[in-house]
Amino acid sequence: DQQVKQNSPSLSVQEGRISILNCDYTNSMFDYFLWYKKYPAEGPTFLISISSIKDKNEDGRFTVFLNKSAKHLSLHIVPSQPGDSAVYFCAASGLKLRGSNYKLTFGKGTLLTVNP
Amino acid sequence: GAGVSQTPSNKVTEKGKYVELRCDPISGHTALYWYRQSLGQGPEFLIYFQGTGAADDSGLPNDRFFAVRPEGSVSTLKIQRTERGDSAVYLCASSFGKKETQYFGPGTRLLVL
Repeated sequence: DQQVKQNSPSLSVQEGRISILNCDYTNSMFDYFLWYKKYPAEGPTFLISISSIKDKNEDGRFTVFLNKSAKHLSLHIVPSQPGDSAVYFCAASGLKLRGSNYKLTFGKGTLLTVNP
Repeated sequence: GAGVSQTPSNKVTEKGKYVELRCDPISGHTALYWYRQSLGQGPEFLIYFQGTGAADDSGLPNDRFFAVRPEGSVSTLKIQRTERGDSAVYLCASSFGKKETQYFGPGTRLLVL
């Protein structure tokens, strides 16, 4: 059972436009969420995170929104740049998950292509 | 500053052989994690070390998999009697503490023929 779901395997946007990547989760014990970016032949790189006590976190061009009632989060990239082309993974962990709050559960990823 | 490094970057082996994968965490990071990423999937948790001890090995798929971190820094993931299904990218991550952001290495791509 996939506890973290990224239902769009790929997304293509034009340079300068907004990219919106979506993620859904099923485990209500998750309370910390992260986005990682991955280029081919490299490991995932931490991008941005959000705690469940917030509904928005912003860092430069990247904003993550969390809707706890819908168990949904999204990553917005504005404006999108060709260098943003990569696979984006949504991950979750749970401080309330007794003894395992370090364990990240990942989605399958979304391949973002930003066209010049 | 050096990030997490992993060696080898690629490993090709034959079914039934033994392999060792090495991870050098970021200096000063006490927590170390191993994940496995199969084709088309996200990384899946294998094991977590706090210092020298394996605090949680619940993600190891079976007893052919074992990991050590004898001095609380470098870690080695060991796979005995490899099977074709073990083919994947093995990722190592480290963090200052178990609640802190995990930083990943480039991974070791293991192919079992």
